[in-house]
Amino acid sequence: QLQLQESGPGLVKPSETLSLTCTVSDGSISSSTYYWGWIRQPPGMGLEWIGSIHHSGSTYYNPSLKSRVTISVDTSENQFSLKVSSVTAADTAVYHCARRSGMTVAGRTSWAFDYWGQGILVIVSS
Amino acid sequence: EIVLTQSPGTLSLSPGERATLSCRASQSVSSNYLDWYQQKPGQAPRLLIYGVSNRATGIPDRFSGSGSGTDFTLTISRLEPEDFAMYYCDQYDSSSLTFGGGTKVEIK
Repeated sequence: QLQLQESGPGLVKPSETLSLTCTVSDGSISSSTYYWGWIRQPPGMGLEWIGSIHHSGSTYYNPSLKSRVTISVDTSENQFSLKVSSVTAADTAVYHCARRSGMTVAGRTSWAFDYWGQGILVIVSS
Repeated sequence: EIVLTQSPGTLSLSPGERATLSCRASQSVSSNYLDWYQQKPGQAPRLLIYGVSNRATGIPDRFSGSGSGTDFTLTISRLEPEDFAMYYCDQYDSSSLTFGGGTKVEIK
């Protein structure tokens, strides 16, 4: 069973860069049928997509975060990473990594996040 | 950017009742790119429905999805105790993805 595990600091100072890594176990990050994504959830609030990456390096970012976000992949380590620069208290959230799979039914392909990490709480505070 | 509005914000029902959750988009959603997730407190979201109406692996058939264009529905035919949770829809369009604000299904 595929597993994803987020890791990184739980506390980041304002104006600094938040850095997280997602390690993928019992599955390869290099399969062409998957993208890998980051989604965050501020305490008590809803879900916000941050961005997604393919093992080839193709990336897609939330336009509202694009100027501050970088997602990268390390296929040798079976990991992908997130960096958010110039953080503020508004970036305090549980950060989840997830696999985005293409699923084909009757010749039509849909994409959805089918495996998720448990999430890591990152607090932005001095 | 497509905005998804979920209603109601909270649905208070009893076990055994039928739940109907709405997800309305600010513009037409590309076919196949509307999904539903369930989230319980302290847990990661779980994929229920992908491509509007396809149940994910292991999801009971009491969950069903329908809709097209800008109006989508998640139906739980008979609520089980484990179904009381938050539910989110999401859509993908033009390389951008958005989630709805969620509907909480609570025990009446």
